[in-house]
Order: sequence, then structure tokens, then C-alpha cells
Amino acid sequence: ETGVTQSPTHLIKTRGQQVTLRCSSQSGHNTVSWYQQALGQGPQFIFQYYREEENGRGNFPPRFSGLQFPNYSSELNVNALELDDSALYLCASSLAGTSYEQYFGPGTRLTVT
Amino acid sequence: AQRVTQPEKLLSVFKGAPVELKCNYSYSGSPELFWYVQYSRQRLQLLLRHISRESIKGFTADLNKGETSFHLKKPFAQEEDSAMYYCALTGTGRRALTFGSGTRLQVQP
Repeated sequence: ETGVTQSPTHLIKTRGQQVTLRCSSQSGHNTVSWYQQALGQGPQFIFQYYREEENGRGNFPPRFSGLQFPNYSSELNVNALELDDSALYLCASSLAGTSYEQYFGPGTRLTVT
Repeated sequence: AQRVTQPEKLLSVFKGAPVELKCNYSYSGSPELFWYVQYSRQRLQLLLRHISRESIKGFTADLNKGETSFHLKKPFAQEEDSAMYYCALTGTGRRALTFGSGTRLQVQP
């Protein structure tokens, strides 16, 4: 059984740029959720994807967008980066109907300068 | 709106002492409550959920709807319990997890 993987591990971008983060689900999982974790805070829900469609969204602006592919892997795209976007971005996979039992990846650390 | 509050950023105890990590929540419906844990250099993982009413690694948590609390307890702390603990809830639709800001538990020898 393969766990959730994320790439890249670290990333440094400049304000105004765009970034794409990637996530591979745990084997057999069809639902992917993305979270933003600022320093000293708990993870904050960005959105969830199921069957390649957005299935719920948190309080994040439209410049945060995502994709889910037929193999259930997923991307998080952030446009027009702001300094406050600097955070750890976590991906979590789960089986539909058991979304509480989410399996987390190691995260991507994004720094915006 | 749903919210989870963990009032302590750091809880330091000695090995063998009882532990209680506090969690209060606000939600208008019937939430599901969870505790997630992150050990050093490991990823975030589910520790326990209120519905299962299990004891995991000696930890238990009881949902108190009157006080809207879900405190995590262990009678005798072990050094390997040192970690970051997050309380979380999910509401209607059971999609998003809402996390608290976390409590770092430090168990000293």
C-alpha cells in the first residue's frame, strides 16, 4: 500500500507568481482534500475533490484552484501569490463516505518573497 | 460557523503523570469529533474519533455536548506521547475537517 505523496517538498516563489503543487493519493482512495497550515496554526480546509469535481470549498479566494485526475492524483494551483500564502500545504486522501479518516501527505512548504 | 478551540499551546508533564488536552468546539448541528496527532518528523495521522469510543495508545476522549468539549485524556503519560495534538471536527456533509490550533505535549523523563 502506497501512502500519500506530495511534490515538491519545498518551493520559493515571488509575489505575483503562480504555483502548482502536486499530490498522489493513497492507493484505493478516490477523494482528495487540500489544507493550508500557517506557522503555529492548525490546518485550514481549502477544498476537496471527488470524481474529478470540486466537492466542497473553504473560505479561500478563487485564485486557489484545483484539479483531480482519473487516477485520483490532484493539483493545487495558486495564482497571483501573496506573502500571506507562505505556508505548509497538506494533501489528504480518503474514501468517499469516510472523509473523516483522512490520510495526510508530508506537505509542501511554500515561501513567497 | 464551526470552530475548534485548543486553549493550551504547550502542555508539559512528567512521565507517569495524568494528561488532559483540552478541546472546545462550536457547531450548530451534530458534529463528529476527532483527535489527530503529529509525532516528530512524521505526518499528521488520526488518533481517535468520538464515535468509535475506543482507547488508542491509552488515550480516551469523551464528547460532552452540554459543555461542547472533547478533551483528550491519558492516566499515565509516556515519553513517546510527546507530539503535537490537534482536535478536529466535521459537520454536515462530513467533508471538511476543521482543526484547532494544536497543543504540543511534552513528556519529560
